[in-house]
Amino acid sequence: AQSVTQPDIHITVSEGASLELRCNYSYGATPYLFWYVQSPGQGLQLLLKYFSGDTLVQGIKGFEAEFKRSQSSFNLRKPSVHWSDAAEYFCAVIPNDYKLSFGAGTTVTVRA
Amino acid sequence: DAGITQSPRYKITETGRQVTLMCHQTWSHSYMFWYRQDLGHGLRLIYYSAAADITDKGEVPDGYVVSRSKTENFPLTLESATRSQTSVYFCASSPHINEKLFFGSGTQLSVL
Repeated sequence: AQSVTQPDIHITVSEGASLELRCNYSYGATPYLFWYVQSPGQGLQLLLKYFSGDTLVQGIKGFEAEFKRSQSSFNLRKPSVHWSDAAEYFCAVIPNDYKLSFGAGTTVTVRA
Repeated sequence: DAGITQSPRYKITETGRQVTLMCHQTWSHSYMFWYRQDLGHGLRLIYYSAAADITDKGEVPDGYVVSRSKTENFPLTLESATRSQTSVYFCASSPHINEKLFFGSGTQLSVL
């Protein structure tokens, strides 16, 4: 079955350290790719998206993501996390049938 | 205020009752979506709509009914609520199918 996988359910990182969240998809063609962030009790907010072109995309809040076709991955990174980055992060894809599908999410905890 | 609003914010109901969750957007976005969010599953698409009077099933449509008589409204009805429908429900809208989604704040539904 076609799917979006976020292998890490929970990541704990120290403030100021780097962060990388993994996302893999299993669709045949290159889908549209997104990363969303959800703060506690809130809806989701778009961090960045990739449709085509440069495989390294910059987003809001200092996040970036790199599309790697050979690995079917779209990992999210941030060089130095802030306490306010504690949230749940969702990778999402739009495959050929145009139905946006989300991964199960990765919860990020930031320790002082 | 402009944006996407969901009501109610919280709802408690009993099994077998009919429940309608409301979603209203002021941008005249063509696309609207209903997702449910459950621990370990991320967000799963229930139904979506490409325009007024056009709706289609998502990943988990059973037990739900939608309508879209007006562009700005996309209510979700649980015809006979079950405990398995206890979840957080998010409505979202988008101007185009491959553009970012704008999310409401969610409705937390408990079915007892």
